[in-house]
Amino acid sequence: QVQLQQWGAGLLKPSETLSLTCAVHGGSFSAYYWVWIRQSPGKGLEWIGETTHRESTNYNPSLESRVSITVDASKNQFSLRLNSVIAADTAVYYCARGCYPNDNGGNQLDYWGQGILVTVSS
Amino acid sequence: EIVLTQSPGTLSLSPGERATLSCRASQSVDSSYVAWYQQHPGQAPRLLIYGASNRATGIPYRFSGSGSGADFTLTISRLEPEDFAVYFCQQYGGGSPRRTFGQGTKVEIK
Repeated sequence: QVQLQQWGAGLLKPSETLSLTCAVHGGSFSAYYWVWIRQSPGKGLEWIGETTHRESTNYNPSLESRVSITVDASKNQFSLRLNSVIAADTAVYYCARGCYPNDNGGNQLDYWGQGILVTVSS
Repeated sequence: EIVLTQSPGTLSLSPGERATLSCRASQSVDSSYVAWYQQHPGQAPRLLIYGASNRATGIPYRFSGSGSGADFTLTISRLEPEDFAVYFCQQYGGGSPRRTFGQGTKVEIK
């Protein structure tokens, strides 16, 4: 049974840093890659970025200057930091597991965390 | 950026009816990396279909996916009460950013 459990601060002021962590329970941490997605009413589902277990990362160009995804493989955890938040960063943030390609497809997100609402407000 | 446009925005149907949801990409995408997700209010998305046509583990047979190139379809053969939700398509690999989602189709009870 795979579960992704996420936590972090839910209320931030503009210019502060968003910090979330996702713990992976069950399954192989190294056989998948790890993704952050956010969802806001105005922009729908937005890919933030992703990392391998060895912290090889890719980010959405629209956020790349402010985002960092790190890995603690010893704890099967990965984290998101988003600097200098603004009101437009208000969203529900999800962590998810990404599947490497195989004969049937790939890059789908087969398990998701429960989501955390992060509100940016002065 | 590859834009995914889903239609219709809202689909009003009765239980037992057939639902056909469309996802059109702004350019051709690799069908191997097209997925569909279901989301109920207050919950995380749930993977339904990957590789355009493969059902994820535990997904009922009434859900099917098809398509290639820039046009993809999710079909629910006979709607059950728990199928009323929002559905998103997603592609990976084409363009920048490398993963994009459609804006969603809401399937509501008529």
